[in-house]
Amino acid sequence: DIVMTQSPDSLAVSLGERATINCKSSQSILYNSNNKNYLTWYQQKPGQPPKLLIYWASTRESGVPDRFSGSGSGTEFTLTISSLQAEDVAVYYCQQYYTTPLTFGGGTKVEIK
Amino acid sequence: EVQLVESGGDLIEPGGSLRLSCATSGFTFSTFSMNWVRQAPGKGLEWLSYISGSGNTIYYADSVKGRFTISRDNAKSSLYFQMSFLRPEDTAVYYCVSPPSSGANFRLDYWGQGTLVTVSP
Repeated sequence: DIVMTQSPDSLAVSLGERATINCKSSQSILYNSNNKNYLTWYQQKPGQPPKLLIYWASTRESGVPDRFSGSGSGTEFTLTISSLQAEDVAVYYCQQYYTTPLTFGGGTKVEIK
Repeated sequence: EVQLVESGGDLIEPGGSLRLSCATSGFTFSTFSMNWVRQAPGKGLEWLSYISGSGNTIYYADSVKGRFTISRDNAKSSLYFQMSFLRPEDTAVYYCVSPPSSGANFRLDYWGQGTLVTVSP
């Protein structure tokens, strides 16, 4: 199974400041035939299902604010919130869809400092 | 607009059985693979099972293999999850999840609101 490891577990950032979340996979999730990384980022707020933010590691879902960006390739990935807003308080998960079992990182809780 | 509505969650005793349903609309259900994902209270996300559009290809997580069965009825645009030999650690919100298109098999883009299963004496 591909193990997804997120860091940190929690993060407190001042409004307007940058938040950075890391995600590592235990093996490469870059598919050589199409040069795509099979990685997704989700945002989950209390009492709600996860919301898709980023797919293919760096493609922003329609309607997602451009302060959210994804980067990385192979086994190391990053979700960046360039200027944290109050509505961004949530838990963020990475997930690989390279192969089954599909696996998620443990989550990173983002709060306001 | 894609809509996924889960139902069937309940309080059930250990060792019992339960069948979850997911009613779908807004897309050509028979051409889309589907998944079940769960989230224990206060915990992270756990993928459980995948079924192809035809129903011919099925995958399970080890944690539920042999106890849970995924199925679908394309005529009713519905997904099911038969859960047997339930354990307290199966207590979770269960989500029905679909990809964005018929070809994006393992993407988990659209999520229902979830249905709560509580396994307790």
